[in-house]
Amino acid sequence: GENVEQHPSTLSVQEGDSAVIKCTYSDSASNYFPWYKQELGKRPQLIIDIRSNVGEKKDQRIAVTLNKTAKHFSLHITETQPEDSAVYFCAADTNFGNEKLTFGTGTRLTIIP
Amino acid sequence: NAGVTQTPKFQVLKTGQSMTLQCAQDMNHNSMYWYRQDPGMGLRLIYYSASEGTTDKGEVPNGYNVSRLNKREFSLRLESAAPSQTSVYFCASQPGQGTEQYFGPGTRLTVT
Repeated sequence: GENVEQHPSTLSVQEGDSAVIKCTYSDSASNYFPWYKQELGKRPQLIIDIRSNVGEKKDQRIAVTLNKTAKHFSLHITETQPEDSAVYFCAADTNFGNEKLTFGTGTRLTIIP
Repeated sequence: NAGVTQTPKFQVLKTGQSMTLQCAQDMNHNSMYWYRQDPGMGLRLIYYSASEGTTDKGEVPNGYNVSRLNKREFSLRLESAAPSQTSVYFCASQPGQGTEQYFGPGTRLTVT
C-alpha cells in the first residue's frame, strides 16, 4: 500500500518568513495530493491540493509543488502570519478506483511574532 | 448544510464497555471514512465505505466494526473498549475520487 513520509515534524519560523514542508510517497500510481490544516482542537480542513498532471499550484500565499519522478511534493507558505500556526498534513490517494487517502504524520508549524 | 456531524463530542468509557460513534453527512457524498488521530501518528484509517452498502477495512480495523446505514450515515462501534482505543475519532465524507474529504468535528474518547 501507499506510504507517505512527512518532514519536519515541527517547524518554527519568524513572522513574515517562508515555511516549507516536504512529503514523499511510495506508490507511483498515486494521482491526487491534498494538504490539510488542523488548528488546535479543530477538524482538518483542505487548504490546497494538486493532481499528477500539474507540477505546481498556487493560491495566494500558499503553493504546492509536485515531482512525480522523485515521488515528492512540498507545501510552501510565504509571508507567514500568526494565523498560519497549526498542524499541517499531506496525503496521497491510492488510485485504482480506490478513494482512500494515506496521510503523513503531520508538521506542527509555529509562527514566532 | 450542516456538513459532517458526529455524536458524541466527548465520551469516557471503562475497559470492556461498548459504544457506537455516530456520523452523518448531508452533502450526498458517496464515500465515508472513519479515522483515529493519536499524537505524532497523523490520521489513520480505521474503516471506509466507498458507497452505500459497502464497507472495507483500513489500516487499523482491529477492535472496531462499522455500519453504513444509508447514504447519509456511517457508524463506528467499539464492542469491548480498551485503553489503546483512547483517541480522537474523525468521520469524513468525499464526493468522489480525487476530491476533497470533509471532516466532522471529532469525538474525543477516553477509555480507562
